[in-house]
Amino acid sequence: KAGVTQTPRYLIKTRGQQVTLSCSPISGHRSVSWYQQTPGQGLQFLFEYFSETQRNKGNFPGRFSGRQFSNSRSEMNVSTLELGDSALYLCASSRDSNSPLHFGNGTRLTVT
Amino acid sequence: DQQVKQNSPSLSVQEGRISILNCDYTNSMFDYFLWYKKYPAEGPTFLISISSIKDKNEDGRFTVFLNKSAKHLSLHIVPSQPGDSAVYFCAARRGGTNAGKSTFGDGTTLTVKP
Repeated sequence: KAGVTQTPRYLIKTRGQQVTLSCSPISGHRSVSWYQQTPGQGLQFLFEYFSETQRNKGNFPGRFSGRQFSNSRSEMNVSTLELGDSALYLCASSRDSNSPLHFGNGTRLTVT
Repeated sequence: DQQVKQNSPSLSVQEGRISILNCDYTNSMFDYFLWYKKYPAEGPTFLISISSIKDKNEDGRFTVFLNKSAKHLSLHIVPSQPGDSAVYFCAARRGGTNAGKSTFGDGTTLTVKP
């Protein structure tokens, strides 16, 4: 069974630009969550999607947005990038909200 | 306000001995707790979990203990192996509509020396 796939693995962007990250969950998993990890920090919750609907949202500015498609694939978008957005962005899927998360290997975003 | 705290950034133990990783939480609404392990350049992987209706859960070499009155949980690894060297994250969840949101601690880096 294929795991959670995130693309791209690495990304370098300039301040002010926007970026879109992609996540393909494990087949059959309907819940997709996004987390941000910065150096020395734990994982900060961004948002969760279930059946194409955003069900939970973390404390991030409106520049961070996401969506989920009918095949459960999800995208995350960050607009007007800031230096502080440099981080590892992790996507996780789960069969349902009461199951453990299965993480992808992340997208390492560097903003210069 | 950090609701889940792992106060030890690092822990070093000898192979074969016990590793004890600790986690404290402040939100009494949390009812499900999980431990994840993370190797460099990989995403976290689920290790073991415990519901708030239990005080202990075992899976092979890994045991998680929950003390609800103290809002404290711990992960015991016995015996520790060099392959266990990784960053360990404690996570907590509420039930209901918030079940999809997990709150993570900052992680503890475990080093198991041969």
